[in-house]
Amino acid sequence: LAKTTQPISMDSYEGQEVNITCSHNNIATNDYITWYQQFPSQGPRFIIQGYKTKVTNEVASLFIPADRKSSTLSLPRVSLSDTAVYYCLVGDGLAGTASKLTFGTGTRLQVTL
Amino acid sequence: NAGVTQTPKFQVLKTGQSMTLQCAQDMNHNSMYWYRQDPGMGLRLIYYSASEGTTDKGEVPNGYNVSRLNKREFSLRLESAAPSQTSVYFCASSEDRTMNTEAFFGQGTRLTVV
Repeated sequence: LAKTTQPISMDSYEGQEVNITCSHNNIATNDYITWYQQFPSQGPRFIIQGYKTKVTNEVASLFIPADRKSSTLSLPRVSLSDTAVYYCLVGDGLAGTASKLTFGTGTRLQVTL
Repeated sequence: NAGVTQTPKFQVLKTGQSMTLQCAQDMNHNSMYWYRQDPGMGLRLIYYSASEGTTDKGEVPNGYNVSRLNKREFSLRLESAAPSQTSVYFCASSEDRTMNTEAFFGQGTRLTVV
């Protein structure tokens, strides 16, 4: 499984755009990149998933450069409720095998007024 | 839809006691997982099950056993609890088609071993 590296923590003010970068130098051809969000005392929640270029949904955007060795989760105009831990995962997307979700320590985002 | 349901939500055990954490999902998912999360840490995979009748060890399986009772249910058993097993335990499930690893998590079981 590809190892991921993220910043341990980030701070932001409400209303700003936040970009969290994840490094995954050993990503395999079949691997997808997935981000999860976890609030205190809750299980993680899926945010977004992508393979290359850019993916956008109602919550976030995911930017993946051509070499796919990194990815950036972009949260537009964060609010206090976006304070959480964000995990970057690189999946073992081999056909016919279980994707063994492996979480790192994540990035703790603190949003303040 | 209930999603992933874990029971109990809280549990206190004495060292050496045994217990089983229950997990059930109603999304007809093939894969199920058990994680533990220690304070201020990320999630660590204990065991996972790719399909009914199969289980595999994750990163930290020692001291635990699992059982994939059927497609819906995946239980985690502590045979002889130790204080080092004090943690929050999360169960998750995923459809696990190729290229689709979105997983759904339960609300967790907070276990304290004294």
